[in-house]
Amino acid sequence: ETGVTQTPRHLVMGMTNKKSLKCEQHLGHNAMYWYKQSAKKPLELMFVYNFKEQTENNSVPSRFSPECPNSSHLFLHLHTLQPEDSALYLCASSQDPLGIAGQSTDTQYFGPGTRLTVL
Amino acid sequence: GNSVTQMEGPVTLSEEAFLTINCTYTATGYPSLFWYVQYPGEGLQLLLKATKADDKGSNKGFEATYRKETTSFHLEKGSVQVSDSAVYFCALTDSNYQLIWGAGTKLIIKP
Repeated sequence: ETGVTQTPRHLVMGMTNKKSLKCEQHLGHNAMYWYKQSAKKPLELMFVYNFKEQTENNSVPSRFSPECPNSSHLFLHLHTLQPEDSALYLCASSQDPLGIAGQSTDTQYFGPGTRLTVL
Repeated sequence: GNSVTQMEGPVTLSEEAFLTINCTYTATGYPSLFWYVQYPGEGLQLLLKATKADDKGSNKGFEATYRKETTSFHLEKGSVQVSDSAVYFCALTDSNYQLIWGAGTKLIIKP
């Protein structure tokens, strides 16, 4: 499945660095998501964008800053991260989860993830 | 609140064995239920889904039936292969169509 792409696939950064993760979906979907996947923990939903508007922010620290310039692209800007932020960051998209355009469907499609290591 | 509970892994089986990975849920209303699979080094892929009671989702030889009476959505496959080795996630959608995830079950198939 190459409908959702993420770059970079691997990232190593120091605690004082600033970096960005990029996600692009080629499926014509209207909703995009950022998840954090840590070892031995359930997936944690971080942010949701629906029709470019942020509709969910699950108490994520401000050192993570999302940006959704259009319905096909989603960024996660990172600054002054901590070692415990090391994880796999997954992007996903879905068609129209709230049925805004009358095409409600709740299936999410995932990218391959960015493996982030914070030193 | 809504939640999903999966059997803890890893589950280790020999090739051609029968597979069951248990999943039970707690939810209000009538959520959709999903199984996603994550192969090593990759993101999650939708394996199958069911949207209402008694529906059976199936794909690649895997099946799961939406059992409202037992609030379960157990994943089964009659004969596993080494290539099925992966982490399997059970999930449901809440009233806002957000996914609620289980912790995942790692499956190891030995030749």
